Amino acid sequence: QAQLVQSGAEVKRPGAAVKVSCRASGYTFSKYDIIWVRQAPGQGLEWVGWINIGNGNTVYSKNFQDRVTITRDTSATVTYMQLSSLRPEDTAVYSCARLVVTQRPFSPDFFRYMDVWGRGTTVIVSS
Amino acid sequence: EIVLTQSPDTLALSPGERATLSCRASQSVSSSYLAWYQQKPGQAPRLLIYGASYRATGTPDRFSGTGSGTDFTLTISRLEPEDCAVYYCQQFGASPPEFTFGPGTKVHLK
Repeated sequence: QAQLVQSGAEVKRPGAAVKVSCRASGYTFSKYDIIWVRQAPGQGLEWVGWINIGNGNTVYSKNFQDRVTITRDTSATVTYMQLSSLRPEDTAVYSCARLVVTQRPFSPDFFRYMDVWGRGTTVIVSS
Repeated sequence: EIVLTQSPDTLALSPGERATLSCRASQSVSSSYLAWYQQKPGQAPRLLIYGASYRATGTPDRFSGTGSGTDFTLTISRLEPEDCAVYYCQQFGASPPEFTFGPGTKVHLK
């Protein structure tokens, strides 16, 4: 079955960068985009960015767009999320999710939703 | 930018009771782009409802979604102990492209 496996926890100093990976298996990698989301301790879900796996195009949340880079390696079926200039408030669980885009029945509209999620990677930023 | 507001913040109910969770958008949202997720402590979010009212594979039929425009509702018809979780609504905005989550509603047993 479809699965997203993320890299392990990271501890970083303020000002450093972190790169989190998300390996896909059990489905055709190129057919689904990947979304990155983060969740600070005790807080809700926050969208970080989105990568089109087919062409590598990215869209970033304006909250991160000057610090985040999302890339993919199609041969390895891996997506990467790099966040730079880390601050203590970046301490969070970073998760990847598969984006489904599928046509709504009897309609020109398309559904968009995240159906498979990675288990998350804890990133701690502390001096 | 569309802002999603969820109410109540917390819901305490007895098993078997009906739970009604609200998600309100700051401007009209396409129902095709409205989803609900369940998250239990220490776990990844789980898709429950997409397209505002379509149950995802494996979602029990006690969960239902309704709504359009700016007002959406997730209903749990008969609360089970395993339904204790935080529930998030989420929308996709096409212009500019962005994903937005509501702040969540925590459901627990009374």
